[in-house]
Amino acid sequence: GAGVSQSPSNKVTEKGKDVELRCDPISGHTALYWYRQRLGQGLEFLIYFQGNSAPDKSGLPSDRFSAERTGESVSTLTIQRTQQEDSAVYLCASSWQGLGNQPQHFGDGTRLSIL
Amino acid sequence: RKEVEQDPGPFNVPEGATVAFNCTYSNSASQSFFWYRQDCRKEPKLLMSVYSSGNEDGRFTAQLNRASQYISLLIRDSKLSDSATYLCVVNGARKLIFGQGTELSVKP
Repeated sequence: GAGVSQSPSNKVTEKGKDVELRCDPISGHTALYWYRQRLGQGLEFLIYFQGNSAPDKSGLPSDRFSAERTGESVSTLTIQRTQQEDSAVYLCASSWQGLGNQPQHFGDGTRLSIL
Repeated sequence: RKEVEQDPGPFNVPEGATVAFNCTYSNSASQSFFWYRQDCRKEPKLLMSVYSSGNEDGRFTAQLNRASQYISLLIRDSKLSDSATYLCVVNGARKLIFGQGTELSVKP
């Protein structure tokens, strides 16, 4: 489809394992964002990519979290040594510019559950 | 002070009621404003942009007050399907800042 695509939709894993989440933005969108949303809570900004600029990692909660983006396409968010507090929905969004003045379009999210 | 603040609600209203949400923001340099809607266990979706002169889309009216640094969303003749969380969004430095959302529940 033409929207933001995220995979997997759901991920259940044991505490201590590493997980990798994938986001495929809308074609042509140069800006890509990752958010975390815990049950009943608001969006928590994690990281932002804009073209070839250095990513804004100011929202990453710990060094267990990292993200990469290949050019202006797919991004992966990696969580190492997962903890139960990492359980949340991880949302990816993209916009055609990263100046903060364009609306973002969200994927369906990855629901992560840490046992 | 949070960059974007909203009353979390919930707002419980009967069908057909008019309901208004306010949102305040701290960065006076912000230029772009949006309202998003998030249904339970779904991703946020853009509802409407907010323009300086105010704008209307059917039953929804958005207004901006730069002097007081707040934006509002008015929903007229509310429907059961309007039940959702409404997110106020303001541009910060290079990215959008999302409010925590206001929950609306429309009852029959």
